[in-house]
Amino acid sequence: QVQLQESGPGLVKPSETLSLTCTVSGGSISSYYWSWIRQPAGKGLEWIGRIYPSGSTNYNPSLKSRVTMSVDTSKNQFSLRLSSVTAADTAVYYCARDRGSLLGGVWFDPWGQGTLVTVSS
Amino acid sequence: DIQMTQSPSSLSASVGDRVTITCQASQDISNYLNWYQQKPGKAPKLLIYDASNLETGVPSRFSGSGSGTDFTFTISSLQPEDIATYYCQQYDNLPRVTFGPGTKVDIK
Repeated sequence: QVQLQESGPGLVKPSETLSLTCTVSGGSISSYYWSWIRQPAGKGLEWIGRIYPSGSTNYNPSLKSRVTMSVDTSKNQFSLRLSSVTAADTAVYYCARDRGSLLGGVWFDPWGQGTLVTVSS
Repeated sequence: DIQMTQSPSSLSASVGDRVTITCQASQDISNYLNWYQQKPGKAPKLLIYDASNLETGVPSRFSGSGSGTDFTFTISSLQPEDIATYYCQQYDNLPRVTFGPGTKVDIK
């Protein structure tokens, strides 16, 4: 079955850019939207945005000015860049398939295991 | 932006009890409402999509209902493995996606 794995630095300095990659295995990255979602420790979930294999994107308006997503279909990977980070961006970052996108909906399954990114000098 | 509220924020129930969680949207979202289960240290798991559709492989003791602004998630007979935090999630056509604040379910 499809599995997702996040990778990237666990520590980022304030004002710098957070970069993460999600590798999809067990299936093709084609035909679905792929999302990034984050969760600060002990808090709720925040959708960051999503990307389609064509490169089409939708971003959370609250983060849109700082977010860039990209996709590499040859590697079955998609990526997140979040610029000008602060301590408030410290969170577990998840990648997930938007399985609902085939049906016009937005629901996430499966998810990666998550990766903790800490913003600190 | 559409705001989501969940109640209660936490609950404690006995094994075998019926557990109900509600999720309210700040405006009409039709049936665009999903439910997830998150166990400590794990990623969320999809249980219910579009308000009432049970995800494949999810036990039938889980169910969802509602439309418009008011939604309900039910565990018909609480099991020890159901200890988790449950989140609702709405979406619209743009799309904008927001999650509820979560309900932590414990065993009494």
